[in-house]
Amino acid sequence: GAVVSQHPSWVICKSGTSVKIECRSLDFQATTMFWYRQFPKQSLMLMATSNEGSKATYEQGVEKDKFLINHASLTLSTLTVTSAHPEDSSFYICSARVGRTLFFGPGTRLTVL
Amino acid sequence: KNEVEQSPQNLTAQEGEFITINCSYSVGISALHWLQQHPGGGIVSLFMLSSGKKKHGRLIATINIQEKHSSLHITASHPRDSAVYICAVDEGGNQFYFGTGTSLTVIP
Repeated sequence: GAVVSQHPSWVICKSGTSVKIECRSLDFQATTMFWYRQFPKQSLMLMATSNEGSKATYEQGVEKDKFLINHASLTLSTLTVTSAHPEDSSFYICSARVGRTLFFGPGTRLTVL
Repeated sequence: KNEVEQSPQNLTAQEGEFITINCSYSVGISALHWLQQHPGGGIVSLFMLSSGKKKHGRLIATINIQEKHSSLHITASHPRDSAVYICAVDEGGNQFYFGTGTSLTVIP
């Protein structure tokens, strides 16, 4: 099946810094990728839909200036958490669609001190 | 009201038991996905359904479009099946709704 990678797998940063998370489709092209966050013992929350070559579509309540998404190529989408604060600590996951099947990245655990 | 409701939230079973996880939804769907998330966090798509029934090994997924209900069954459960199972509804147009997940523990 298709493979989606994420980097880094975990990151610890100080409050106020910005963190970039990469999501790559390794063996296929993805015009659309999805970004989620997941709090402990909770399900996935869709944050935004990343579209190659155009602006991301953000879900209601997600600050687009806080969570910057760039989908500059058919194999790479990045999520930048700007001026991170402890409440941004979470598990961030990306996925890409091949046909109707979803393939998920392994996730990035962000801890903001 | 959540667009996707799963039950049960938590489930503990003895190895070998038959397991059923239920998912009800209130939106129109293009497809329904069953996902498996292991403790490390990685998510695997188990099934994508738009009608009927699918089987893969010991896993069976069914969907009833009229009743807006889907079930995931695990036959002859095994400790390695321990994971969180998530139902996700694809409304079409890249709009997804996720259930809260069912945490399954299979005891040897």
